[in-house]
Amino acid sequence: DVKVTQSSRYLVKRTGEKVFLECVQDMDHENMFWYRQDPGLGLRLIYFSYDVKMKEKGDIPEGYSVSREKKERFSLILESASTNQTSMYLCASCRAPGELFFGEGSRLTVL
Amino acid sequence: GQQVMQIPQYQHVQEGEDFTTYCNSSTTLSNIQWYKQRPGGHPVFLIQLVKSGEVKKQKRLTFQFGEAKKNSSLHITATQTTDVGTYFCAGFSGTYKYIFGTGTRLKVLA
Repeated sequence: DVKVTQSSRYLVKRTGEKVFLECVQDMDHENMFWYRQDPGLGLRLIYFSYDVKMKEKGDIPEGYSVSREKKERFSLILESASTNQTSMYLCASCRAPGELFFGEGSRLTVL
Repeated sequence: GQQVMQIPQYQHVQEGEDFTTYCNSSTTLSNIQWYKQRPGGHPVFLIQLVKSGEVKKQKRLTFQFGEAKKNSSLHITATQTTDVGTYFCAGFSGTYKYIFGTGTRLKVLA
């Protein structure tokens, strides 16, 4: 079974802190994605990557950056966390365009 | 930019009643996928539709892709309590970007 593992299920950070969310997949997928999920807004794409060191902005990249140094790992970085970044963050991966496999999610609270 | 609208946002049904959720895209899609997210869980893939006018069935679930490949629906016949969750459509237009609808949260009353 494909497994997508997110490093933290729950995080509480303070405004201005730097936050790292890590995601690892074990099925050699080329494509990886970071979404945030908010009530009533569904899943919104922050960034995606279709290859190592390649990244593309999604619909809401402001305030976020990403890193993909290895194929299996895709990290989301909040350089200076703000309260409006309190959300559920979901990582996903897929091979060619097809079924997305999601991690369990990381619920971030910024105080 | 590309948008995928999904209605209704919420639906409460009595167990045994039918349920339908609809997705509409502002642009033509290459394919559309459907996902289910149980309360407290993460989205899980249900199905992918690729062809214009395609209809697929999974037991009590029927999925349709519109002729113009801009809309889709998911219909559940005779809902059960295990159907509870949020159903998302995700449109793909060939740019590695899956655009998710806002989701329909289904509650089934026993």
